[in-house]
Amino acid sequence: QKEVEQNSGPLSVPEGAIASLNCTYSDRGSQSFFWYRQYSGKSPELIMFIYSNGDKEDGRFTAQLNKASQYVSLLIRDSQPSDSATYLCAVNTNAGKSTFGDGTTLTVKP
Amino acid sequence: NAGVMQNPRHLVRRRGQEARLRCSPMKGHSHVYWYRQLPEEGLKFMVYLQKENIIDESGMPKERFSAEFPKEGPSILRIQQVVRGDSAAYFCASSPAPGDNYGYTFGSGTRLTVV
Repeated sequence: QKEVEQNSGPLSVPEGAIASLNCTYSDRGSQSFFWYRQYSGKSPELIMFIYSNGDKEDGRFTAQLNKASQYVSLLIRDSQPSDSATYLCAVNTNAGKSTFGDGTTLTVKP
Repeated sequence: NAGVMQNPRHLVRRRGQEARLRCSPMKGHSHVYWYRQLPEEGLKFMVYLQKENIIDESGMPKERFSAEFPKEGPSILRIQQVVRGDSAAYFCASSPAPGDNYGYTFGSGTRLTVV
């Protein structure tokens, strides 16, 4: 079992729809959770982090965390073609380093 | 306010040569992380360093790979006697403290091609 698992996709949504990206993790000691966006040929950039159970909203992005289910998700509202990218889920234990999932590729069609 | 600086952006090496990848963290960041990304794959952790210390090298191959972060100067990832399987994008990231609370700022990466 991978430490961090994501649906590889590709996930395709029409412009203006809600995109839902999911991530599960295996280490119950994980404490902090991050979503990065990576455009093709570019480096990852941090878009959201969450530490506590529940929802955290930032503009069109909402991160959701359920530690009991070991599940993290990212919702993108009003998806735009510029949101088309690979989204990486990352999980930290208490050791400082992040473990990344393999990413979900999102395509937003105009 | 420069971000994380990596160089070179692209590096071509023949099999058996050495590759040296450099990373200067953001100003004020003392924690550096190296990751490798193969095409169509996720980021694989290699090593975590603070100034003059290797904190976690659990992701480093046992042979040919080494990393340092000296008191002065950039962090260096060194790959000796490169093989075709070393071809990948190598990303460096930095954070002001252990990544738990801050997430990472990534450099632009070094694309290594072994021919």
